[in-house]
Amino acid sequence: EAQVTQNPRYLITVTGKKLTVTCSQNMNHEYMSWYRQDPGLGLRQIYYSMNVEVTDKGDVPEGYKVSRKEKRNFPLILESPSPNQTSLYFCASSRGQGFIDEQFFGPGTRLTVL
Amino acid sequence: GDSVTQMEGPVTLSEEAFLTINCTYTATGYPSLFWYVQYPGEGLQLLLKATKADDKGSNKGFEATYRKETTSFHLEKGSVQVSDSAVYFCALSDVYNFNKFYFGSGTKLNVKP
Repeated sequence: EAQVTQNPRYLITVTGKKLTVTCSQNMNHEYMSWYRQDPGLGLRQIYYSMNVEVTDKGDVPEGYKVSRKEKRNFPLILESPSPNQTSLYFCASSRGQGFIDEQFFGPGTRLTVL
Repeated sequence: GDSVTQMEGPVTLSEEAFLTINCTYTATGYPSLFWYVQYPGEGLQLLLKATKADDKGSNKGFEATYRKETTSFHLEKGSVQVSDSAVYFCALSDVYNFNKFYFGSGTKLNVKP
């Protein structure tokens, strides 16, 4: 089954404790992206990747890191999480550039930083 | 910078009612426009898209027309069903960087039997 998977689905952590949210797709997609969803703000793009080793900042990259060492994986790293990073996070992928091809979204990761 | 504005929700309708969800955008040039739908507990799914002015996107009875004069991309459906209850997001991709996306705040639709 073609899908985007994220782990963990739920995470409660404390301020300053490094964490990684994994994202994996099995569709051989070139493009991957991370978003955060907050009430009243919709989805905001954090980082995106056009291919292996090629990443760039979205609208709200502060406090996040990403890497793209393999085509299928695009982990999101929070080196020192803070309470304002409490949010619902979505990973997405598409075959090519997103404006042409449909983005497929993962199920989401709900993160709470205390 | 680019932005998308959607009508506030929630929108509550009876089954078979007509639906309109307003979406306007601010962007340089003519961006590609999208409607995504999010069912409870799930990720977003593409509902329809339009990549140039005057294009009409359609899917599952939903339609939206790219209006450059009014910078709008309103979502419509002639007869909603209970199964259409979800959150709907309007989005655009930046003209100068197609990899960057901007989403509206979402509009929750509740359809009552």
